[in-house]
Amino acid sequence: AQSVTQLDSQVPVFEEAPVELRCNYSSSVSVYLFWYVQYPNQGLQLLLKYLSGSTLVKGINGFEAEFNKSQTSFHLRKPSVHISDTAEYFCAVSDPSGGFKTIFGAGTRLFVKA
Amino acid sequence: DAMVIQNPRYQVTQFGKPVTLSCSQTLNHNVMYWYQQKSSQAPKLLFHYYDKDFNNEADTPDNFQSRRPNTSFCFLDIRSPGLGDAAMYLCATSRDFQGMNEQFFGPGTRLTVL
Repeated sequence: AQSVTQLDSQVPVFEEAPVELRCNYSSSVSVYLFWYVQYPNQGLQLLLKYLSGSTLVKGINGFEAEFNKSQTSFHLRKPSVHISDTAEYFCAVSDPSGGFKTIFGAGTRLFVKA
Repeated sequence: DAMVIQNPRYQVTQFGKPVTLSCSQTLNHNVMYWYQQKSSQAPKLLFHYYDKDFNNEADTPDNFQSRRPNTSFCFLDIRSPGLGDAAMYLCATSRDFQGMNEQFFGPGTRLTVL
């Protein structure tokens, strides 16, 4: 069965510094990949998704992610974070062999410090 | 703006007292999902509707039921809430169940069980 591992449960970073949130998934078959953001007491919101094509995907709020098939990774990056980026970030995978059910990672809490 | 609405945002109930959470959508999506999210954890899928077809996850307790009277509305019924059912409940929609479609989330209902 497909699984998603977010390697860091918490990432503290100073404002205007770059950040990378790591995500690895287990299956090497073709999958669809997503990053969602959840602000406190709110639902999840899509940041970006990879379906096919270019391995570098750009999303909202200046975030981007790179799909690496050989390493089964989909790491999220932002070159300069703001205080307002403080939130929980979830990586998710949709696997056709699993009936396209979306599997979420455990989340990474990004904490941006002034 | 098209959106997913959940009511109420906060719900307090007593141990064993039935409770119903509500979700509505203006996106006209075919699929509606209910997730349970406990603190610092990934959302856990309870069940989903594809149009009128109900799909229960194998590990969803019988205590949780759902109704979808029409395309726009979906309800989560907890027949006898226990203390372990205290959580955030997220409703989401997607255009189709094929994995390339992202999910659109409501703001969630935080359930407290006394």
